[in-house]
Amino acid sequence: AQSVTQLDSQVPVFEEAPVELRCNYSSSVSVYLFWYVQYPNQGLQLLLKYLSGSTLVKGINGFEAEFNKSQTSFHLRKPSVHISDTAEYFCAVSDSASKIIFGSGTRLSIRP
Amino acid sequence: SQTIHQWPATLVQPVGSPLSLECTVEGTSNPNLYWYRQAAGRGLQLLFYSVGIGQISSEVPQNLSASRPQDRQFILSSKKLLLSDSGFYLCAWSVMREPSYEQYFGPGTRLTVT
Repeated sequence: AQSVTQLDSQVPVFEEAPVELRCNYSSSVSVYLFWYVQYPNQGLQLLLKYLSGSTLVKGINGFEAEFNKSQTSFHLRKPSVHISDTAEYFCAVSDSASKIIFGSGTRLSIRP
Repeated sequence: SQTIHQWPATLVQPVGSPLSLECTVEGTSNPNLYWYRQAAGRGLQLLFYSVGIGQISSEVPQNLSASRPQDRQFILSSKKLLLSDSGFYLCAWSVMREPSYEQYFGPGTRLTVT
């Protein structure tokens, strides 16, 4: 069975500092990996996805993530955050069985 | 392009009252459809998903039910609401022919049961 673990429930960082949001997954088959962002009182929006190919994936809003098969990780990074990046971020995994399993979310708060 | 609608956007209902939340998708055919609930400070809980008209899979036993009367319409219902049904309800769709089953989310419905 698949599972997703987001290691940090909250991550506070200062504006213009770098950030890494951690995600580990478990699956017995090949997987597709996603990061979604949720701004307050809104639905989820896809940031980026890994399907195959290059392990470094670039997404919207300057975010990127690296797929590491040996460590079963898919950490999300941004070199310099802005106040507008304040949101909740969800890591997710799919094995093409028509469902996606979401992590519990990481709340990113940006301090000026 | 594809769009997904949910209504109402917010809802306040007393305990014991019925519930009907609606989700419709435009611009695609035969999508997979999903209902999630997000309780305050918690992650996403998959409630129901549907791969076709009249086909509903329930993920957790609870006070809610779902129906898909049309290809692009998904309805979440309850006969009698509980306080624990409060939360943010999200509808999502995915394209069956896409192997990754990437999901696209609606704007959500904020339900408060009083």
